[in-house]
Amino acid sequence: EAQVTQNPRYLITVTGKKLTVTCSQNMNHEYMSWYRQDPGLGLRQIYYSMNVEVTDKGDVPEGYKVSRKEKRNFPLILESPSPNQTSLYFCASSYQGDQETQYFGPGTRLLVL
Amino acid sequence: RKEVEQDPGPFNVPEGATVAFNCTYSNSASQSFFWYRQDCRKEPKLLMSVYSSGNEDGRFTAQLNRASQYISLLIRDSKLSDSATYLCVVSIVSWGKLQFGAGTQVVVTP
Repeated sequence: EAQVTQNPRYLITVTGKKLTVTCSQNMNHEYMSWYRQDPGLGLRQIYYSMNVEVTDKGDVPEGYKVSRKEKRNFPLILESPSPNQTSLYFCASSYQGDQETQYFGPGTRLLVL
Repeated sequence: RKEVEQDPGPFNVPEGATVAFNCTYSNSASQSFFWYRQDCRKEPKLLMSVYSSGNEDGRFTAQLNRASQYISLLIRDSKLSDSATYLCVVSIVSWGKLQFGAGTQVVVTP
């Protein structure tokens, strides 16, 4: 089954404790992206990647890191989480040239205390 | 000012009725337009693209007005299963950048 998976789905952590949210897709998509969704603000892009070893900042990259060492994986790293990073996070992927048709993962709900 | 603005709703619609709502975008260089559907904080899914000439997909009709910089979505013969949040999405550049609206909530009631 073609899908985008994220782990963990739910996470409660404390300020400053490094965490990684994994994202994996099995559709051989070149393009992958991370978004956060907050009430009243819609989805905002954090980082995106057009292919292996190619990443770029989105609209709200502060406090986040990403890497793209393999085509299928695009982990999101919070080196020192803060309460303002409490949010719902989505990973998405698409084919190159069809990035408007994005396939989203199920989301990760993060609470930073 | 937000790049993409939507009326958050909710739009309460009796089953079988028609509902329509708009989305405005601020960047006149926007190239592509879409509606995504999101159920109760689950992952968004592409509903339909919006073409310059307008397009239909079953009970759904999307329109684009470039002069006034808005797109619209009309749902005919609403079903209970149409209850969701509809996200307006605008592509600012041809690669790597989508701008999402905050969504319009539609609640279809029996």
